[in-house]
Amino acid sequence: ILNVEQSPQSLHVQEGDSTNFTCSFPSSNFYALHWYRWETAKSPEALFVMTLNGDEKKKGRISATLNTKEGYSYLYIKGSQPEDSATYLCAFVRQKVTFGTGTKLQVIP
Amino acid sequence: EAEVAQSPRYKITEKSQAVAFWCDPISGHATLYWYRQILGQGPELLVQFQDESVVDDSQLPKDRFSAERLKGVDSTLKIQPAELGDSAMYLCASSHTRTASPYEQYFGPGTRLTVT
Repeated sequence: ILNVEQSPQSLHVQEGDSTNFTCSFPSSNFYALHWYRWETAKSPEALFVMTLNGDEKKKGRISATLNTKEGYSYLYIKGSQPEDSATYLCAFVRQKVTFGTGTKLQVIP
Repeated sequence: EAEVAQSPRYKITEKSQAVAFWCDPISGHATLYWYRQILGQGPELLVQFQDESVVDDSQLPKDRFSAERLKGVDSTLKIQPAELGDSAMYLCASSHTRTASPYEQYFGPGTRLTVT
């Protein structure tokens, strides 16, 4: 069983604050890493697919970086808004997809 | 925009009863996944189909769970008999690629199962 860990488990930030969280995964035989956003009562939505060491991807105020040699990825949210409140999941892809436990973000207006 | 459909959205059943969930993936997606997400944990893969064939069901509790995708399109996941520990969110996802690929999966809204 692969160990994919996310931290922190949850956090509360004020509207306008920037925040980041971490996904750690095995550094050997890397294939791909996905980030998903999962809002309550909605389907998980793909944010990023990352495949290359050093990848940096951006979508609006959200960005992600990837370090496959040390086995981690960071997700950054700049100027958090209440609509960013969701659980953010990373998924490590090798022969199969293994999800982390998620980081639950609550943005306080 | 095409979406993955799942039904029902919510299901309450008594233990020892049978329950079934349905998933219709995005048209043309060859790969279909069923996940179980227990509160506080990440989604866990139960079964993966490539067209109508099972390619991974190593985490499927086969004594009580079964899954099929007879025509390689929609899929049904069944639990019989349901146990209290089966209470969870059951997510279906699909992907257009035919291999364990880097491409993202598209998820349905899930079925929230409560076993009483």
